[in-house]
Amino acid sequence: DAGVIQSPRHEVTEMGQEVTLRCKPISGHDYLFWYRQTMMRGLELLIYFNNNVPIDDSGMPEDRFSAKMPNASFSTLKIQPSEPRDSAVYFCASSLRGTGRTEAFFGQGTRLTVV
Amino acid sequence: DAKTTQPPSMDCAEGRAANLPCNHSTISGNEYVYWYRQIHSQGPQYIIHGLKNNETNEMASLIITEDRKSSTLILPHATLRDTAVYYCIVRSSSGGSYIPTFGRGTSLIVHP
Repeated sequence: DAGVIQSPRHEVTEMGQEVTLRCKPISGHDYLFWYRQTMMRGLELLIYFNNNVPIDDSGMPEDRFSAKMPNASFSTLKIQPSEPRDSAVYFCASSLRGTGRTEAFFGQGTRLTVV
Repeated sequence: DAKTTQPPSMDCAEGRAANLPCNHSTISGNEYVYWYRQIHSQGPQYIIHGLKNNETNEMASLIITEDRKSSTLILPHATLRDTAVYYCIVRSSSGGSYIPTFGRGTSLIVHP
């Protein structure tokens, strides 16, 4: 497996524009997580899905953020409208729940810059 | 959920052992200790995990105290490529703490 795949790797957009980040989890994993990382706040969990269903979105900063998982192999994180304070690295991760080793596998991240 | 406490930074000479401590005094019986590291500009990467026994793999060793309230990640022969932020988290196979939640971690700098 190629691991968790995120696209794009870098995104520069103007304030007010819509931004869509994409994630392909590892095949067979039943959990998908979206994180945001900044120098100020570290690595924050935004939302996670189990079997394509959003379970906890309490980490989503505000209504401008939304996430979907239409099927087991694809998820999106959308910001509309984007603001400069949304600039961060966004990571997607997936894992398989079970006993023993159940580590999360992370993608390479999307570095978002809103100007 | 059990929380963890780590020193914000450490340094180590190349070739020497790096010992990274972690306190998790509120850990419960079904919670594992997991270690990840994040090299600059990359996503976090799994290193090792354990429940109550010491563990070793090709990357590191994990020593967990008998009362399970603290642990130490050991990189036996640190290299410059081990410079990274190391995260200690506790995680269950069920319940809320299954979700990996990261603190600030320890920034390890390996110097020549």
